Amino acid sequence: EADIYQTPRYLVIGTGKKITLECSQTMGHDKMYWYQQDPGMELHLIHYSYGVNSTEKGDLSSESTVSRIRTEHFPLTLESARPSHTSQYLCASSDLAGPQYFGPGTRLLVL
Amino acid sequence: EDQVTQSPEALRLQEGESSSLNCSYTVSGLRGLFWYRQDPGKGPEFLFTLYSAGEEKEKERLKATLTKKESFLHITAPKPEDSATYLCAVQPKKTGGATNKLIFGTGTLLAVQP
Repeated sequence: EADIYQTPRYLVIGTGKKITLECSQTMGHDKMYWYQQDPGMELHLIHYSYGVNSTEKGDLSSESTVSRIRTEHFPLTLESARPSHTSQYLCASSDLAGPQYFGPGTRLLVL
Repeated sequence: EDQVTQSPEALRLQEGESSSLNCSYTVSGLRGLFWYRQDPGKGPEFLFTLYSAGEEKEKERLKATLTKKESFLHITAPKPEDSATYLCAVQPKKTGGATNKLIFGTGTLLAVQP
């Protein structure tokens, strides 16, 4: 079944740790996105990719980095986590001009 | 500046009490308007895409409509399982290359009581 997956679903980690949030899709989509969402707030685009080896920063400045080595995989990395990084991170994918489909999200808590 | 405003912020309905959610937008050319449903702790679930004024889409108890300045999500005879946050997003029309960037509103939190 075509879907989009995110792991882990929940992560509690100490300040200064390196973390990688995983996102994979079996939708066959070229475009993938990372959003950050705080409670009661709108989604903010932090990274996007139009295809393999193509990544761009989004509208919201983020200290995270992304890579796109395979079409189906779009991981997000924080080299040194801080409490200000506590948020929900949502991954999405889309085809050329269609709607974006979202994964279940990763809730990150940095202590 | 492209902007999306949703109202009301929160809405409480009795089961069976129909109502509408509003999404007002300001965008320099609209490529598409999207409605999503988001349950607590989950990612948004795609509901509808609308492309031009006058267009309507329906799914079960939900109907989305679009004008040149706003969209409405009509909920007919809602049930408790319709309780969720409903998000509206616009995709601006950009020249010189494809882009699927979406601008989201903050959502309407709908609670349907039995």
